[in-house]
Amino acid sequence: SQTIHQWPATLVQPVGSPLSLECTVEGTSNPNLYWYRQAAGRGLQLLFYSVGIGQISSEVPQNLSASRPQDRQFILSSKKLLLSDSGFYLCAWTGHYYNEQFFGPGTRLTVL
Amino acid sequence: AQKVTQAQTEISVVEKEDVTLDCVYETRDTTYYLFWYKQPPSGELVFLIRRNSFDEQNEISGRYSWNFQKSTSSFNFTITASQVVDSAVYFCALSEEMLGGYQKVTFGTGTKLQVIP
Repeated sequence: SQTIHQWPATLVQPVGSPLSLECTVEGTSNPNLYWYRQAAGRGLQLLFYSVGIGQISSEVPQNLSASRPQDRQFILSSKKLLLSDSGFYLCAWTGHYYNEQFFGPGTRLTVL
Repeated sequence: AQKVTQAQTEISVVEKEDVTLDCVYETRDTTYYLFWYKQPPSGELVFLIRRNSFDEQNEISGRYSWNFQKSTSSFNFTITASQVVDSAVYFCALSEEMLGGYQKVTFGTGTKLQVIP
């Protein structure tokens, strides 16, 4: 069966520090991968999606970037965090035979 | 552009009551998919159901049931005999397939359900 992992689970970082969040999927190949952010008490905002290695599309221009160095690995990064980057970051994947997205456990980021 | 509206921000019910969560969507596509997700306090979104636009059959899974009506662009979710473990935020979502094969999913703003013992 397929599983999706995210780490770290929680992170507290000072403003201006770098960020690297990792997402990996097991049990499937060539998934579509997604990064979402959920601000406190709000809905989900799609940040990036990827349909293959090295293929990244951004939905919202911002302080973040994403990379997909391997088929089942998706990384969210920032060179300098802002206070507004605080939130709950969720990684998701879809296969090619069904449409629902399956989500990882999320990373709760607090920028101080 | 796609849009999903969950007008109920928060609902509180007493345990064992039935509760319906409303979802209204907008899309110009003839082929689309609708979903419901549950987000418990732990934060992880749990997939509950998928329904495609050509299948208007209602579905029942245990205490959960879904009512899809294309005529009113609604996809409502009913929990029968609610339990404390049902307390969570529930999201309705709509997807369309974009060029390149990825699914663009539009989420509603969520309905927070509190089941009081």
